[in-house]
Amino acid sequence: AIQLTQSPSSLSASVGDRVTITCRASQGISTALAWYQQKPGKAPKLLIYDASSLESGVPSRFSGSGSGTDFTLTISGLQTEDSASYYCQHFKNYPHAFGQGTRLEIK
Amino acid sequence: QVQLVQSGAEVKKPGASVKVSCKTYGYTFTTHYIQWVRQAPGQGLEWMGIINPNDGTKSYAQQLQGRIIITGDKSTSTVYMELSSLRSEDTAVYYCARDGAVLRESYCDYWGQGTLVTVSS
Repeated sequence: AIQLTQSPSSLSASVGDRVTITCRASQGISTALAWYQQKPGKAPKLLIYDASSLESGVPSRFSGSGSGTDFTLTISGLQTEDSASYYCQHFKNYPHAFGQGTRLEIK
Repeated sequence: QVQLVQSGAEVKKPGASVKVSCKTYGYTFTTHYIQWVRQAPGQGLEWMGIINPNDGTKSYAQQLQGRIIITGDKSTSTVYMELSSLRSEDTAVYYCARDGAVLRESYCDYWGQGTLVTVSS
């Protein structure tokens, strides 16, 4: 089974900062990767699909890149409402595993 | 508009079974796969399984094989997830989610509100 490793597991940044979260797959998955944002007590929300496509309605400060085994989620110009946990998920084959998550705190 | 509405919270004893429903609205039921994902308290997301509502084919996480059954009902546009032989480690919020692409496995674009299942004696 393909495993996803996210880093860092947590980070703290200030409003206006640029932050990057990485997701590494244990084998190549082309661009079959999505990124989700989850706030406490809420269902996850799709941000990025197919590694770099921005979901409709998601602010343009969110962007994704990568292919094969290495992927990044970048938030440019951090806002207070971006405080949340972030997860990557692959859909190359079954099981559609998730990364372990990254908790983002706004200073 | 697309909506996934899940059944309410459940409290079960160890060894029992639970069946969670996910009723879909606003799109053609048979054209999008449905995934099930769970989240234990304070933990990350765990993929449980997926069903193609068009033909009923499914795939399950290996660690749940033998305890999980996912079914779909075209007449009511509803997907069900049944988990048996419950143990305390199954206490979690269970989510259904729709695959965004048509008739192929993909990312989850719409999610249900979540169903809390508590396993306690």
